[in-house]
Amino acid sequence: RKEVEQDPGPFNVPEGATVAFNCTYSNSASQSFFWYRQDCRKEPKLLMSVYSSGNEDGRFTAQLNRASQYISLLIRDSKLSDSATYLCVVNRGNNDMRFGAGTRLTVKP
Amino acid sequence: NAGVTQTPKFRVLKTGQSMTLLCAQDMNHEYMYWYRQDPGMGLRLIHYSVGEGTTAKGEVPDGYNVSRLKKQNFLLGLESAAPSQTSVYFCASRAQDRGRNSPLHFGNGTRLTVT
Repeated sequence: RKEVEQDPGPFNVPEGATVAFNCTYSNSASQSFFWYRQDCRKEPKLLMSVYSSGNEDGRFTAQLNRASQYISLLIRDSKLSDSATYLCVVNRGNNDMRFGAGTRLTVKP
Repeated sequence: NAGVTQTPKFRVLKTGQSMTLLCAQDMNHEYMYWYRQDPGMGLRLIHYSVGEGTTAKGEVPDGYNVSRLKKQNFLLGLESAAPSQTSVYFCASRAQDRGRNSPLHFGNGTRLTVT
């Protein structure tokens, strides 16, 4: 089983839709969690950290469920500019930072 | 403030040649990382460092060596390149967690082709 798993998609949604991604991790000792966005042939860029209490940044909401070992990302009111690959990142301990394979999102007019 | 800088940006090698990729950060970050990304895949951790003079293996370390002689630099070496090492290589750094999650900051990547 991979350390960090994501549904690869692709997710194709219309503008204005709400879309959610999940990411599961296998190491229960994992300490910190992040969502990154990657555009084609570019470096990943931080979207948001994920905190136990859940956190929101504009149209984006991140949640952490330690009991079930997954994190989620919710995007509301999707924009064309949200089209990208979304990567979850897990600090599995000792600063060993692992990525999921990414979920590809395409927002269509 | 340049952040994380990778050199070179592009390189073509022949099988069996060696090369070193350089990563430099000017943010005084403790931790540095080397990842590779193959088409349609996420980033896979090659090696990382939690401080000057230290290195640790990631999930795909074979065929690579690293060194962190100075805090600001993290070098990735390929002693004998193989076509399977054709990939995009990303370097990243991050600060110590001090009561909050510390994210990764990335360089622009190095596109390596081994023929």
